[in-house]
Amino acid sequence: QKEVEQNSGPLSVPEGAIASLNCTYSDRVSQSFFWYRQYSGKSPELIMSIYSNGDKEDGRFTAQLNKASQYVSLLIRDSQPSDSATYLCAVRSGNTPLVFGKGTRLSVIA
Amino acid sequence: GAVVSQHPSRVICKSGTSVKIECRSLDFQATTMFWYRQFPKKSLMLMATSNEGSKATYEQGVEKDKFLINHASLTLSTLTVTSAHPEDSSFYICSASAGWQETQYFGPGTRLLVL
Repeated sequence: QKEVEQNSGPLSVPEGAIASLNCTYSDRVSQSFFWYRQYSGKSPELIMSIYSNGDKEDGRFTAQLNKASQYVSLLIRDSQPSDSATYLCAVRSGNTPLVFGKGTRLSVIA
Repeated sequence: GAVVSQHPSRVICKSGTSVKIECRSLDFQATTMFWYRQFPKKSLMLMATSNEGSKATYEQGVEKDKFLINHASLTLSTLTVTSAHPEDSSFYICSASAGWQETQYFGPGTRLLVL
């Protein structure tokens, strides 16, 4: 059973701070890793994908992947109240559907 | 990112009727489409995966005769909820990708309410 684990939160951070969201996965041969953001009542939207060990930056977002530790994280710099949402980690192994974590609820306090 | 649309965005129907939801990839060819269901404050639940021109693969516990999926073209997949019941009321979301190794993009979702 492939599993993706996330802390459900809520994770509360003050506006302007760095939010750190973490995710671990069970399938060692996983190849593709994604972070989606889901606002309440809306569908998920893709924030970032990462495939290789290390960091990948896109604007205020940085994804970090450590395959040896089976760990992927998302850092949000200069957090804004509009970043308040549920963040979903998703992992794929080969030609199989994405496996989603249950999501971490982030609350950015103004 | 790529654009995926869904129609309708919201539908209310009577118990026992059937409802069809369309999912379209607007700017890419989606060889694979996925249908999810999400209850309030719950996780996404994958219902089925469909490849263009093939029968859908349903997840365990999802009734294929109740949730009919058709993926007849590279830009369109449909989900028909047959003989809907109030417990089928949920948020149905499709996603599409250009291939198994490609990114999945989600549609905006369809909120179904069965009275």
